[in-house]
Amino acid sequence: NAGVTQTPKFRILKIGQSMTLQCTQDMNHNYMYWYRQDPGMGLKLIYYSVGAGITDKGEVPNGYNVSRSTTEDFPLRLELAAPSQTSVYFCASSSTGNNSPLHFGNGTRLTVT
Amino acid sequence: GQQVMQIPQYQHVQEGEDFTTYCNSSTTLSNIQWYKQRPGGHPVFLIQLVKSGEVKKQKRLTFQFGEAKKNSSLHITATQTTDVGTYFCRTPPSAGGTSYGKLTFGQGTILTVHP
Repeated sequence: NAGVTQTPKFRILKIGQSMTLQCTQDMNHNYMYWYRQDPGMGLKLIYYSVGAGITDKGEVPNGYNVSRSTTEDFPLRLELAAPSQTSVYFCASSSTGNNSPLHFGNGTRLTVT
Repeated sequence: GQQVMQIPQYQHVQEGEDFTTYCNSSTTLSNIQWYKQRPGGHPVFLIQLVKSGEVKKQKRLTFQFGEAKKNSSLHITATQTTDVGTYFCRTPPSAGGTSYGKLTFGQGTILTVHP
């Protein structure tokens, strides 16, 4: 099993550009999450999904959008990139909600200049 | 949302010394999870504690859940350079909450081990 796969690993964007961070998991997990982690800081939840067709905002959703058309995929969309969105983005999944461990992807390091 | 305070923020130790990080909550927790993130890596699940007063061990790591289920600790005995990284706790919303996605990570404790 590949687990949680994120692409790309690195990306540099200019201010105002848009991009989609891809995330896919092959564990048939219902729950998927997007976190951002700024240097030396903790993890902040951007969006999450409890199943296909259902998404909800986390702590820091502004500037981002998500969709969950399938169980496997949970892409994160940045429409108008801003320097404040420079961060490392982690996708994660879990089989259920509160009592399941998170399985993380390797992360996408995004720089907006 | 629930406030979880993780301390200390940083810890520098000599190899062979012990290390402890704490997560403290203002409200009762239904469970708590611990994760480790190596420098440049992604968080990796270590363990989950559910019961009041629960103690679990993984080799040199000892995890405890307080009797009141408001605090938890991760203790490493005789640290090694491989223990370097950031240790996070993760807690669900208040008991009975339904915001399954809004589990909260502590701020993390960054551990440095000097050889």
